[in-house]
Amino acid sequence: DAKTTQPNSMESNEEEPVHLPCNHSTISGTDYIHWYRQLPSQGPEYVIHGLTSNVNNRMASLAIAEDRKSSTLILHRATLRDAAVYYCILRPDTNFGNEKLTFGTGTRLTIIP
Amino acid sequence: DTGVSQNPRHKITKRGQNVTFRCDPISEHNRLYWYRQTLGQGPEFLTYFQNEAQLEKSRLLSDRFSAERPKGSFSTLEIQRTEQGDSAMYLCASSSQGTDYEQYFGPGTRLTVT
Repeated sequence: DAKTTQPNSMESNEEEPVHLPCNHSTISGTDYIHWYRQLPSQGPEYVIHGLTSNVNNRMASLAIAEDRKSSTLILHRATLRDAAVYYCILRPDTNFGNEKLTFGTGTRLTIIP
Repeated sequence: DTGVSQNPRHKITKRGQNVTFRCDPISEHNRLYWYRQTLGQGPEFLTYFQNEAQLEKSRLLSDRFSAERPKGSFSTLEIQRTEQGDSAMYLCASSSQGTDYEQYFGPGTRLTVT
């Protein structure tokens, strides 16, 4: 499986934007970039995913580099509820459809009030 | 539908005992996954079902582990002769077939083997 590299931890002030980086230099052309987050004492939850173009949804934005070797998850206005571990995951697009997610250790995001 | 549910939420057992966990996925989802998570690590894939068929098993799933999804709805994960190294959070996730690749996770079952 292609590997991702994320900082172990980051801090951000409440109500400010947060940019969470992810490097995936060995990404293949059919790999989707997925982000999940895990709040304390909960299972992971889906945040966003993309292939080549930047993506926006109600939770976040995903900016994908032109060469696709890195991406950035953007939380536009962090709240205390956004404190979590954020995982950047590469998922191959195969004929078998949904398959396993390969999690790394993620980035622990701390929000400072 | 309130999402994926798992029972029990916590289980404490003595080494050598057998334990069974249950996962109820979102009702229209035909894909179900089991993951294991230890402290400070991300979840690790254990096994995956499409309907009642178990399509993939990780090497982490030793002979002491067995998972079933008999009617393509709920699933059970059984660990026989538990060891202290089995202490972890066991997470279940489900998803639907199609272009939506989002997996929905349950809250997990925390197993402590003493």
